[in-house]
Amino acid sequence: AQSVTQLDSQVPVFEEAPVELRCNYSSSVSVYLFWYVQYPNQGLQLLLKYLSGSTLVKGINGFEAEFNKSQTSFHLRKPSVHISDTAEYFCAVKEGGSEKLVFGKGTKLTVNP
Amino acid sequence: DVKVTQSSRYLVKRTGEKVFLECVQDMDHENMFWYRQDPGLGLRLIYFSYDVKMKEKGDIPEGYSVSREKKERFSLILESASTNQTSMYLCASSFVYRDSLGYTFGSGTRLTVV
Repeated sequence: AQSVTQLDSQVPVFEEAPVELRCNYSSSVSVYLFWYVQYPNQGLQLLLKYLSGSTLVKGINGFEAEFNKSQTSFHLRKPSVHISDTAEYFCAVKEGGSEKLVFGKGTKLTVNP
Repeated sequence: DVKVTQSSRYLVKRTGEKVFLECVQDMDHENMFWYRQDPGLGLRLIYFSYDVKMKEKGDIPEGYSVSREKKERFSLILESASTNQTSMYLCASSFVYRDSLGYTFGSGTRLTVV
């Protein structure tokens, strides 16, 4: 069965520093991968998704993620963060042949001045 | 844009009450989902439906049931609410079109059971 591990529950960084939020998944079949962001007291917003093709995926707000099949990872990166990036980030996986979207437990990113 | 509308943003119910959470989507999506979100646990799938009157259990179905009588509407039912069902509930719908795939989430219903 598919599962998603977000390796860090909290990530504090300083403004303008680079950040990487890590996500690993387990699945024996083809997968589709997603990153969502949730700002305080708001709903889920799609940042980016990998369905097929290039393994480097660019999303909104300057974020990007790279699909690494051999390491079963889909890490999210941003070269320079802003205070406004403070939020909770969720990685999610859908297996081919299943309709279920399975989420990780989330990573809280706090950007400090 | 696809809209997934959850009828209530906040609900307070008493222990033992039967509770209905309603979700409506406006884009003819086949699949609809109910998740609950708890701090430190992420989103966990309760039930999903892939067609009218069709449903499948997710990872945490105990204490819940669902109803999908019309394609656009997916209801989550707490037969007898308990305090451990206090949570944020999120509804979603999904589409597959050619090589594209997407999920759209509602704004959530924060349920408090007292």
